[in-house]
Amino acid sequence: AQSVTQLGSHVSVSEGALVLLRCNYSSSVPPYLFWYVQYPNQGLQLLLKYTSAATLVKGINGFEAEFKKSETSFHLTKPSAHMSDAAEYFCAVSGVRRANNLFFGTGTRLTVIP
Amino acid sequence: DSGVTQTPKHLITATGQRVTLRCSPRSGDLSVYWYQQSLDQGLQFLIQYYNGEERAKGNILERFSAQQFPDLHSELNLSSLELGDSALYFCASSVGTSGAPQYFGPGTRLLVL
Repeated sequence: AQSVTQLGSHVSVSEGALVLLRCNYSSSVPPYLFWYVQYPNQGLQLLLKYTSAATLVKGINGFEAEFKKSETSFHLTKPSAHMSDAAEYFCAVSGVRRANNLFFGTGTRLTVIP
Repeated sequence: DSGVTQTPKHLITATGQRVTLRCSPRSGDLSVYWYQQSLDQGLQFLIQYYNGEERAKGNILERFSAQQFPDLHSELNLSSLELGDSALYFCASSVGTSGAPQYFGPGTRLLVL
């Protein structure tokens, strides 16, 4: 069965500090993994996706994520946090075969302290 | 702007009523997905359609139903509404192939009083 676990429902960082949001996955097949961001009162915006082409994936707004099969992880990072990064972040894994719906983690709310 | 549109943006109704949520996918996308987001359940997959046919079902209640029309827009029908159905309902679309990213609409916020 496909699932993801996000460690830490709330993460606070200072402006300019490293952002690290953790995601571990469980998948019966090589996974397709995604990170989405949700700003208040908005829909989900795709940050980046892993589809096995490269283990280090670069996304929008300076975010990147590294796929580590040995650790079943897909952590999201950004070298320097901006105030505009404050939002909720969701990790997701795709279903298999014809049913490619997403299974989401519980989300991590990122607060950026000025 | 993801290119996915949803109407209405907000909906307030009473218990026992029926509502219809509408979604138009991005141009060229064949697959539509419906998700429910609530504080207690998080983001949950409800149902997927691909080119007019149901492809996958998630935690969708029997009181809920959906369809995808020939022009590829989709409607989610919620009936016999209960207080617990209050949530944010998202539609997403993709080309439908494995690993294809899904693009989300702005959501419909449903409040059942």
